[in-house]
Amino acid sequence: AQSVTQPDIHITVSEGASLELRCNYSYGATPYLFWYVQSPGQGLQLLLKYFSGDTLVQGIKGFEAEFKRSQSSFNLRKPSVHWSDAAEYFCAVASGTYKYIFGTGTRLKVLA
Amino acid sequence: GAVVSQHPSRVICKSGTSVKIECRSLDFQATTMFWYRQFPKQSLMLMATSNEGSKATYEQGVEKDKFLINHASLTLSTLTVTSAHPEDSSFYICSAPNPSAGNTGELFFGEGSRLTVL
Repeated sequence: AQSVTQPDIHITVSEGASLELRCNYSYGATPYLFWYVQSPGQGLQLLLKYFSGDTLVQGIKGFEAEFKRSQSSFNLRKPSVHWSDAAEYFCAVASGTYKYIFGTGTRLKVLA
Repeated sequence: GAVVSQHPSRVICKSGTSVKIECRSLDFQATTMFWYRQFPKQSLMLMATSNEGSKATYEQGVEKDKFLINHASLTLSTLTVTSAHPEDSSFYICSAPNPSAGNTGELFFGEGSRLTVL
């Protein structure tokens, strides 16, 4: 069965520290992979996406993610976290039919 | 700015009443839109696919008569929660395919609508 796992429900980091949010997926074919961010009471904003090609993708707000086929992972990273990055982060996989499977999300807290 | 807009962003209603939520694509046409439901502190679950000019396609377990979806134009889909009950309280989010992204599965998401049924 297709699934997306985000092992960390909550993560707390200090402002300026590096960040890595984990995402593992189970999918029969090469998936389309996404990371979205959701601020409280808001919709989802696309951070970055992977379809093919270079396995290291750059996104907005200084985020990047690396697709590792052998590990079925698509972890999100940021070298230096800002207080405004505090939010909920969702990893998702999709096919060309637009049916997304979302992970359960990771809530990021940033300490001043 | 937002390319998919929802209205209202928040709505409170009494049990037994019906509530309509609108989802509009701004500056582009969407023959297909998707409605998601998000429970508190949980992920998003696809409820249904809204198809312009035809019936919506519902995911397994979603009550068609409870959640009426109408996609009457290329820029508007509506979700009506009929005879709402407290258990229908949730955050509802719509989305539409990014027309510039080809067949890559990329979606634009609306801001969401929080429904509270008393």
